[in-house]
Amino acid sequence: AQKITQTQPGMFVQEKEAVTLDCTYDTSDQSYGLFWYKQPSSGEMIFLIYQGSYDEQNATEGRYSLNFQKARKSANLVISASQLGDSAMYFCAMREGRNFNKFYFGSGTKLNVKP
Amino acid sequence: EAGVAQSPRYKIIEKRQSVAFWCNPISGHATLYWYQQILGQGPKLLIQFQNNGVVDDSQLPKDRFSAERLKGVDSTLKIQPAKLEDSAVYLCASSPRGDRREGETQYFGPGTRLLVL
Repeated sequence: AQKITQTQPGMFVQEKEAVTLDCTYDTSDQSYGLFWYKQPSSGEMIFLIYQGSYDEQNATEGRYSLNFQKARKSANLVISASQLGDSAMYFCAMREGRNFNKFYFGSGTKLNVKP
Repeated sequence: EAGVAQSPRYKIIEKRQSVAFWCNPISGHATLYWYQQILGQGPKLLIQFQNNGVVDDSQLPKDRFSAERLKGVDSTLKIQPAKLEDSAVYLCASSPRGDRREGETQYFGPGTRLLVL
């Protein structure tokens, strides 16, 4: 089974609108961490936001927020007020394992922001 | 603070040749990771070092791939001999500790793009 599933290969959003990128995960661990990264065409992975499995509140970082639904094992990224510079690949990732030494990425979602 | 450095940025080789990639993590970071990212896919963890010891190399194709991190600082990843399917971006990342911290993120370098002909 896939550890991280991102079902949207590509998404379009109008500039200044909000967009939600979907992510579901699979783990039997009680403690784990969920991450979102942005990968522009330059190739470097940029950390955006983190959610711990025990965090009761959804994480927020500026225009990024994480909609965490633990029972459904989903961790969707919400980008508010999209900007042209948000056009990139977005990856959901999970850290788990006894020493949190297992790190898994999803296949990514290509976001295109239209002017 | 300097980021993760990688070299070379691009490499083109023929199949059956050898190639080596170099990574210098962020100063003071104990944990270093090598990932393989095939076009259109997410990164796949190949090997993880804690200081100069291997924590996990379960997805490293050990018949052709090797990696070392001497003195617990910079690291090299080698492929010998290369196959066509090794064409990918090889990403290096580091984190301060890497163990028992579910919230610890990784900081990535720019990657090395390898094309095997």
